[in-house]
Amino acid sequence: SYVLTQPPAVSVAPGKTASIACGGDNIGSKSVHWYQQKAGQAPVVVIYYNDERPSGIPERFSGSNSGNTATLAISRVEAGDEADYYCQVWDSISDHRVFGGGTKLTVL
Amino acid sequence: QVQLVQSGAEVKKPGASVKVSCKASGYSFSDNYVNWVRQAPGQGLEWMGIINPSVGRKHYAQQFQGRVAMTSDTSTSTAYMELSSLGSEDTAVYYCARGGGTSGYYFDTWGQGTLVTVPS
Repeated sequence: SYVLTQPPAVSVAPGKTASIACGGDNIGSKSVHWYQQKAGQAPVVVIYYNDERPSGIPERFSGSNSGNTATLAISRVEAGDEADYYCQVWDSISDHRVFGGGTKLTVL
Repeated sequence: QVQLVQSGAEVKKPGASVKVSCKASGYSFSDNYVNWVRQAPGQGLEWMGIINPSVGRKHYAQQFQGRVAMTSDTSTSTAYMELSSLGSEDTAVYYCARGGGTSGYYFDTWGQGTLVTVPS
């Protein structure tokens, strides 16, 4: 089935921009969704359909998708952004929803 | 507001079954798919399957075929996930998650999670 690859960890200083990659074969042809999961909590969608932001999610969160890599960018990073982030797609061949392995974002 | 409330934590013996419930409120239950996702301790998210509450049609991830059963009750706006032949590797937090939009390809609302523990 379709495989999504994420770096296990990303570190960023407060106020800087964090970029979290999600790799997959021709992922640019798919719609990518991103979730934030803080410690001990359920995941929350922060980006859907590549670059759409749900109501209540700050404009600092943005998404892009092209070629073999989708990217979640978080600008002006705050301590409260520290969390695990997961990308997710729908695999049309298997009709499965697929998650990446997750990336732990650390705010230095 | 849209809300999914799950049943409480469970401890099960190896070989037993567990049934987790997910009660929806704040929207028309039949209008959106319900997914089940699990997360083993310290691990990532794993999609288990999906059910269309309107018609009862379901689709399971291959690794759970034959061991999982998802059902729904539109009269109580509740979805259920039953997992059988439990082993220690099934110890995890189990989430229900509403499919977003008309396609249901992403998850716009999550339950609070249900911890299922299977001691080895």
